[in-house]
Amino acid sequence: EAGVVQSPRYKIIEKKQPVAFWCNPISGHNTLYWYLQNLGQGPELLIRYENEEAVDDSQLPKDRFSAERLKGVDSTLKIQPAELGDSAVYLCASSLGSGRVSYNEQFFGPGTRLTVL
Amino acid sequence: AQKVTQAQTEISVVEKEDVTLDCVYETRDTTYYLFWYKQPPSGELVFLIRRNSFDEQNEISGRYSWNFQKSTSSFNFTITASQVVDSAVYFCALSEANYGQNFVFGPGTRLSVLP
Repeated sequence: EAGVVQSPRYKIIEKKQPVAFWCNPISGHNTLYWYLQNLGQGPELLIRYENEEAVDDSQLPKDRFSAERLKGVDSTLKIQPAELGDSAVYLCASSLGSGRVSYNEQFFGPGTRLTVL
Repeated sequence: AQKVTQAQTEISVVEKEDVTLDCVYETRDTTYYLFWYKQPPSGELVFLIRRNSFDEQNEISGRYSWNFQKSTSSFNFTITASQVVDSAVYFCALSEANYGQNFVFGPGTRLSVLP
């Protein structure tokens, strides 16, 4: 069974440029998460989807970040414009089940390492 | 607010030693879930265990064991007879049923097992 797929693995851009990350979750997983992981820290949740609905986006900086999961399968996270402080690893995860509480095992992708110059 | 503390930033042990990774959490909820994940150098987080707040039974899985104590709000992880392949960053995480953020990770403990 294929795991969570993310692309690109690495991205280097100049500040003020736009960037997008793509995630394809494990087949059948209706819940999808985007996390940000700074160096030496734990992942921080940005947004959680149940199917195509964003059920928790309270930590997403909406002035420059946006996300979509149009058909309830794959998802795109966008930053426009990127800032130096956005340099980090962006992780995508998926899980079975739904509901307000995240108690199911999450399967993570390899992440996209973003460097903003 | 929910919070997860992993006071040990880095630990180094020699192969075959036992090592315990500490996790202390804060929550005002009575129903919550605790997790441990492993992040090897490749970067992908790997799920190790989930525990709900009503189940304080300790668990053993091969060389891994977990000690959950609600009285001290701790969920510690022990690796017995450590191996070089255990070298990774280990994260403890908390999810509350009724309050707070959806899912919170601790800062992680970097474990280095030396041959």
